[in-house]
Formats: sequence, structure tokens, C-alpha cells
Amino acid sequence: DGGITQSPKYLFRKEGQNVTLSCEQNLNHDAMYWYRQDPGQGLRLIYYSQIVNDFQKGDIAEGYSVSREKKESFPLTVTSAQKNPTAFYLCASSPLPGLAAANVLTFGAGSRLTVL
Amino acid sequence: AQSVTQLGSHVSVSEGALVLLRCNYSSSVPPYLFWYVQYPNQGLQLLLKYTSAATLVKGINGFEAEFKKSETSFHLTKPSAHMSDAAEYFCAVSDPTNFGNEKLTFGTGTRLTIIP
Repeated sequence: DGGITQSPKYLFRKEGQNVTLSCEQNLNHDAMYWYRQDPGQGLRLIYYSQIVNDFQKGDIAEGYSVSREKKESFPLTVTSAQKNPTAFYLCASSPLPGLAAANVLTFGAGSRLTVL
Repeated sequence: AQSVTQLGSHVSVSEGALVLLRCNYSSSVPPYLFWYVQYPNQGLQLLLKYTSAATLVKGINGFEAEFKKSETSFHLTKPSAHMSDAAEYFCAVSDPTNFGNEKLTFGTGTRLTIIP
């Protein structure tokens, strides 16, 4: 079955450490997204990519970095510069931008990061 | 800029009763509107979407929503609540004229509790 795989599901990190969250999709989608979810704040966009080797900052990109070396993969690094990294992180993908279906996101199951 | 407001962060209904989750939007152009559902510790799933065709949109699991331009609303309803409907629901908006940059803006979510 096609879908999005996020790993790890749970992750603990000490302050000052960088951590990378994996996101892989086999849907042949062009666009991929990273959202952060905090209680009572909904989903906020961190980064998105519409094509390999290109990505754009979302609303809360500070303290995060991404890469898009392959169409299937869009890893997110939470750096030590992110002041409050404890959150639930969701990866999503959608078909080619410009198509009506581009607005419909397919989500992974999420990664919960806790900073100790 | 677009935005959505979900009235009521928590809604409780009895099993078998009507479910009504409210969403109002703000957009300078006719928007695309979406409802997504999230079960605990999972990603989001699309319930239904409005893309300027019929104003009454039917989705999965018996849910439907009506686009009312005069009220700038897109409320989600279900005639009879089931225990399995307990989840968090997110309204989202996008600008369909922003070709190549279709990003969703999410509301803060409404947690639905079903009372046996």
C-alpha cells in the first residue's frame, strides 16, 4: 500500500543535541511538507518542498533544517537552536502543485519528540 | 492572507445526537476548504473538501459540510454521533489561485467527545 512512513515514532533528546526525523513516501507525490503540532495551536508549517533539491521556509522555520535529495524523502533536522522543540511532528505529501488534488494532503503517523 | 477559526476547542455530544463543529474562514478569494480528522497519536485523514462545485459536500463516515459564502462558514455536521467519531477535527483553507504554492492553513482544532 502507498503511504508515508515517519520514523522514529517516539524520540527523546537532550538539550543541545540535533535530531533528524525521517519521512519517506511511496505515493510518487511531488510536494512534501513538515508540520509541527502543539496542543491548542493546530498545525503550523515548518518547511515544504515542491521539487527535488528545492524547499521553502514555512511559518516557523527557525531552528529547523531540511533536505530534498530524493523525491521520496524529506528529512527534518531539529537543531539545538530550536528553543522549544518538544512537539508532535507531522510529515505530509501531495500531488503536483497546480492541480486541484495538490490541496489534498496525505499525512504520516507522526513523530513525537521530547527534549529532556 | 487566509485563516480559519474553529469555534470551540472541545465539543461533547451524546451518542446518537447531532454533531456540529463550527469553522469560519477569511479569504480574499473564493477558497478551497477542507475538514481533516485526527485520531490519537496518528496523522490527519481527509474527511471532505469543498472546491467550488456543490456547496453541500458529503464526506466519509457520514459527515457533511455546507459552504455558506454569506456567512463565511464551512461547518461540519453528522446527524447521529457514534463512539468511533471521538477524535480531533481540523478545518483548513487554501487559495486555489496561488498556483504552484498551494499551502493549507489549519485551524486550531476541535476535540470531539462522545458521551455513551
